[in-house]
Amino acid sequence: QVQLQESGPGLVKPSQTLSLTCTLSGDSINSGGYYWTWIRQHPGKGLEWIGFISYSGSAHYNPSLKSRVTMSLDTSKIQFSLNLSSVTAADTAMYFCARGRITIFRGVQSNWFDPWSQGTLVTVSS
Amino acid sequence: QSVLTQPPSVSAAPGQRVTISCSGTSSNIGKNSVSWYQLLPGTAPKLLIYDNDKRPSGIPDRLSGSKSGTSATLGITGLQTGDEADYYCGTWDSSLSAEVFGGGTKLTVL
Repeated sequence: QVQLQESGPGLVKPSQTLSLTCTLSGDSINSGGYYWTWIRQHPGKGLEWIGFISYSGSAHYNPSLKSRVTMSLDTSKIQFSLNLSSVTAADTAMYFCARGRITIFRGVQSNWFDPWSQGTLVTVSS
Repeated sequence: QSVLTQPPSVSAAPGQRVTISCSGTSSNIGKNSVSWYQLLPGTAPKLLIYDNDKRPSGIPDRLSGSKSGTSATLGITGLQTGDEADYYCGTWDSSLSAEVFGGGTKLTVL
């Protein structure tokens, strides 16, 4: 059974960098065809896709966050990480990691995320 | 403001059927496939439907998904109190080059 568990500080000061790590069990980061994904949910709001990174290290970020986001893989530790720089109170959210799957057939893209982590609340405050 | 539009809430009695709509545009739902997720506080979000109408292993057949044009629908029959949760649709937006989600729909089983 594949499981994901995120870890990292629950409180980050404004202007600093938010760093989270997601540890995988029951699968390998090197599994082809998967995209290791970060998604967040602001309090009382909907979901926001942050980005994903493939097993080869190729990353794709949400254009609205691209200038501040970096994702990386540590295949030996079966982990992938999120760094979000220059945070403000607007970055306070529940952060989830997930395993993503992407298929493209005749120009139609199908993405889905399964499983997800339970989520960790990150608050940006001084 | 979410890119995809969902009703904020829906409700129905136990045993009844409910549908949750998800409306988009030609660059997202009109072009790509839709997935649906269930979010319950304190638990990991769960994939319910992928590729518009496919159910992952372990998801009961009383859940169904469909897509027509720029809209998608999640259907749940035989409602149970355990179905009370927030439901989100998601798809790739080819113009934004980003995965986009709806604002979520809170299902209440009366």
